[in-house]
Amino acid sequence: DAGVIQSPRHEVTEMGQEVTLRCKPISGHDYLFWYRQTMMRGLELLIYFNNNVPIDDSGMPEDRFSAKMPNASFSTLKIQPSEPRDSAVYFCASSLLQGAGETQYFGPGTRLLVL
Amino acid sequence: ILNVEQSPQSLHVQEGDSTNFTCSFPSSNFYALHWYRWETAKSPEALFVMTLNGDEKKKGRISATLNTKEGYSYLYIKGSQPEDSATYLCAFPVTYSGGGADGLTFGKGTHLIIQP
Repeated sequence: DAGVIQSPRHEVTEMGQEVTLRCKPISGHDYLFWYRQTMMRGLELLIYFNNNVPIDDSGMPEDRFSAKMPNASFSTLKIQPSEPRDSAVYFCASSLLQGAGETQYFGPGTRLLVL
Repeated sequence: ILNVEQSPQSLHVQEGDSTNFTCSFPSSNFYALHWYRWETAKSPEALFVMTLNGDEKKKGRISATLNTKEGYSYLYIKGSQPEDSATYLCAFPVTYSGGGADGLTFGKGTHLIIQP
């Protein structure tokens, strides 16, 4: 059974360019989460969806960041325009059910470098 | 903003020795406490989800305990092996304005290195 799939695995871009990160959650999982890993702040929640609807986006750093989930099997995180401080590893995770006690399964991450 | 603190930040342990480290979290409005294992260049992998005060969970040589009243959890590794080298993260659910708690706030992790 495939786990959470993310693409691309690595992205190098120049400041000002648009970046789109993609995620396919585990089939049947109703919850999808986007996290960002940086040296300074560790692993932090950006936004999450329940049944394709954004529930909490309070972690999205700025208006330059946007996320969508057009259907149950696909989500995107877009940065426009990108800045060097956006360089980080972006993880997508999914969980089967609602709740604080539900295990989240992480994808392999997208390592983003903005020059 | 939730504070999830982990200590120590890093730990060097001789192969075969046992070790433990700590996660501290807010004791009020407790929902659950998650432990993840994160190897370099891989994705975080769930170890335990703990929900009850006094909970003790075990997976092979790794075990964890939970004290919700005082707000801490310990992770123990018995007879450390080189493959145990990883960063161990604990996480606490974030409560959002709508009242649910689904996303996780992570500690900075304990970076464990097992020396042969």
